[in-house]
Amino acid sequence: DAKTTQPPSMDCAEGRAANLPCNHSTISGNEYVYWYRQIHSQGPQYIIHGLKNNETNEMASLIITEDRKSSTLILPHATLRDTAVYYCIVRVTYNQGGKLIFGQGTELSVKP
Amino acid sequence: EAQVTQNPRYLITVTGKKLTVTCSQNMNHEYMSWYRQDPGLGLRQIYYSMNVEVTDKGDVPEGYKVSRKEKRNFPLILESPSPNQTSLYFCASSWTTHTDTQYFGPGTRLTVL
Repeated sequence: DAKTTQPPSMDCAEGRAANLPCNHSTISGNEYVYWYRQIHSQGPQYIIHGLKNNETNEMASLIITEDRKSSTLILPHATLRDTAVYYCIVRVTYNQGGKLIFGQGTELSVKP
Repeated sequence: EAQVTQNPRYLITVTGKKLTVTCSQNMNHEYMSWYRQDPGLGLRQIYYSMNVEVTDKGDVPEGYKVSRKEKRNFPLILESPSPNQTSLYFCASSWTTHTDTQYFGPGTRLTVL
């Protein structure tokens, strides 16, 4: 079972920041938070991951609360091409099966 | 270009007719995996491989076989497909199981009549 809770859908205006929340209240100390997205039935695409510090890359920023029970993915300037389902996943770094447990995700619609 | 490729991308077949979906990666990754995606059930792992000749079952292996004879290829075999295997299939790869990024293929949409 997925260990995360995300809103099923969100809207965002083009050019504005998209802030996608995720609750992971049962996260363990050795579990990372990962974000992937899936654009219209294409293969999921890795976005970013973190343990407890905030992270930023060319795609997005990840803000993790101090107690690590929740996090927020930030797309700083959303474009129409960012319309996708966004998945928040928690997993240990060493996972024998290597599997990613995808929940239902958040369907983000970026509107002109 | 680093990528995971799958063939075919679309396939309609009939019950019982053996088929193979190929997966190939050009990144020299050790780890490869197959998922299926169904409405309301999300992505579920079928099989995975940690290296050549090393494969293991995921969460939903029934009705599927895999092989890993070469590092770059990880075909998914349906010996006797049934309608409940109608799904969207994704292959993924990464350096190891405990690496941060998994790269996914474009998907294969399979319909079994």
